[in-house]
Amino acid sequence: DIQMTQSPSSLSASVGDRITITCRASQSISNYLNWYQQVPRKAPKLLIYAASSLQSGVPSRFSGSGSGTDFTLTINSLQPEDFATYYCQQSYSPPWTFGQGTKVEIK
Amino acid sequence: QITLKESGPTLVKPTQTLTLTCTFSGFSLSTSGVGVGWIRQPPGKALEWLALIYWNDDKRYSPSLKSRLTITKDTSKNQVVLTMTNMVPVDTATYYCVHGRLGYCTGGSCYPDGQYFDYWGQGTLVTVSS
Repeated sequence: DIQMTQSPSSLSASVGDRITITCRASQSISNYLNWYQQVPRKAPKLLIYAASSLQSGVPSRFSGSGSGTDFTLTINSLQPEDFATYYCQQSYSPPWTFGQGTKVEIK
Repeated sequence: QITLKESGPTLVKPTQTLTLTCTFSGFSLSTSGVGVGWIRQPPGKALEWLALIYWNDDKRYSPSLKSRLTITKDTSKNQVVLTMTNMVPVDTATYYCVHGRLGYCTGGSCYPDGQYFDYWGQGTLVTVSS
């Protein structure tokens, strides 16, 4: 199985901040990397697919980059509704695995 | 508008078999490139993919749970059913039904093997306890 490791596990930030979350795969996955956002007590929501493609309806302050084993999710100008847990997921090969999550909290 | 909804028991006893049904609308599971799958999340923990069935009846299972899982579809009813045998307390989790899209084009390139889960059900909490 491909292991996905996110860092940090949690971070505190203020509204308006720019934050970056990192995801590392245990082997090269090209750009087969998706990002999801989960607010408490809700189902996850797809933000980005193919490492950098923004899902329809997702605000442009979200962006993704990377290829191979190292990926980043960046949120520019953090908004109150962005405080949530973020997961990366590889779709390179089954079993499709997720990172352990990064919780973004209000400072 | 695509929607998915999970249904099934909220409480099962150890050793019992769990049967979950996903009823969906807004798409057809006979359309090329479409799949429906299951992902679970133990309380306070990360997401774990379990199984996926494609429009062509191809099926994928998590290797660690493959011996316990069966996924089937009823295209005429717009339903997908997941069964998990020999339930144990560590199987306590919220189980999500998801719409998967296989193959996409972006940035001028096409990725026939890429996929993502773009629609999720609300989830159903299943507790395993005697």
